[in-house]
Amino acid sequence: GEDVEQSLFLSVREGDSSVINCTYTDSSSTYLYWYKQEPGAGLQLLTYIFSNMDMKQDQRLTVLLNKKDKHLSLRIADTQTGDSAIYFCAESIGSNTGKLIFGQGTTLQVKP
Amino acid sequence: NAGVTQTPKFRVLKTGQSMTLLCAQDMNHEYMYWYRQDPGMGLRLIHYSVGEGTTAKGEVPDGYNVSRLKKQNFLLGLESAAPSQTSVYFCASSYSGQGNSYEQYFGPGTRLTVT
Repeated sequence: GEDVEQSLFLSVREGDSSVINCTYTDSSSTYLYWYKQEPGAGLQLLTYIFSNMDMKQDQRLTVLLNKKDKHLSLRIADTQTGDSAIYFCAESIGSNTGKLIFGQGTTLQVKP
Repeated sequence: NAGVTQTPKFRVLKTGQSMTLLCAQDMNHEYMYWYRQDPGMGLRLIHYSVGEGTTAKGEVPDGYNVSRLKKQNFLLGLESAAPSQTSVYFCASSYSGQGNSYEQYFGPGTRLTVT
C-alpha cells in the first residue's frame, strides 16, 4: 500500500539551512504537502506542491520534488529557533476524498 | 472565524468506558477527518467523511464509530475504551481547492488516556 518515509530527527544551528527529506510510494499522488506541528498543537499547513512541478519557493521555504525517485524535500533557509517543531510530509491518495498519508514526522531541533 | 475546534482537550477514561469526541468547523468544508497520533507513527486516519450524512473507514477504524449529522460537526465515538486507544486525536477539515488540492486544516487535538 501507500507509504511515506521520513528521517526522525534533524539538528541544525541557528542561521544554517535545514533540509528535511521524504520518500513516498504512490506515483499517482497529485499533491504533496508539508505540515508543521509545534508542541501541544495541531498540524499547520506550510506549503504544498503539485506533482507536475519540480520546485516551489515560498519565502524561506523551498520544496523540491523528484518525481522519478519519488523524493520530496523541504529546505528552510536561515533557520530560526522558532522553526523548531515536527515536520510532516504527506501525499494525497484516493480521488475526491481528500485523504492524505502522512510520514512519521521529522523533529527539527534548532540550536542557538 | 474559529477554524476547527475540538472538545474536550483532555480526558482520562477507565477501560470499558465510552465517550464521544466532538469536532466542529466553521469554514463550510465538505470533508472532515479523524486521525490518531502515536509516537513515531505519524498520523493515522481513523474515519473520514466526504459530506453531511456520509462516513467511511480509514486506516485504523476498529473500536471507533463516527457520525456526521450536520455539515459542521464530526463526532468520534469510543464504545468500550481500551488502553491501546490512548493517543492524541486530531480532527481536520478540507475543501476541494484549486486543482483539487484538498488542503487540510487541523484542530488542536484531544489527549486521551485509557487506564
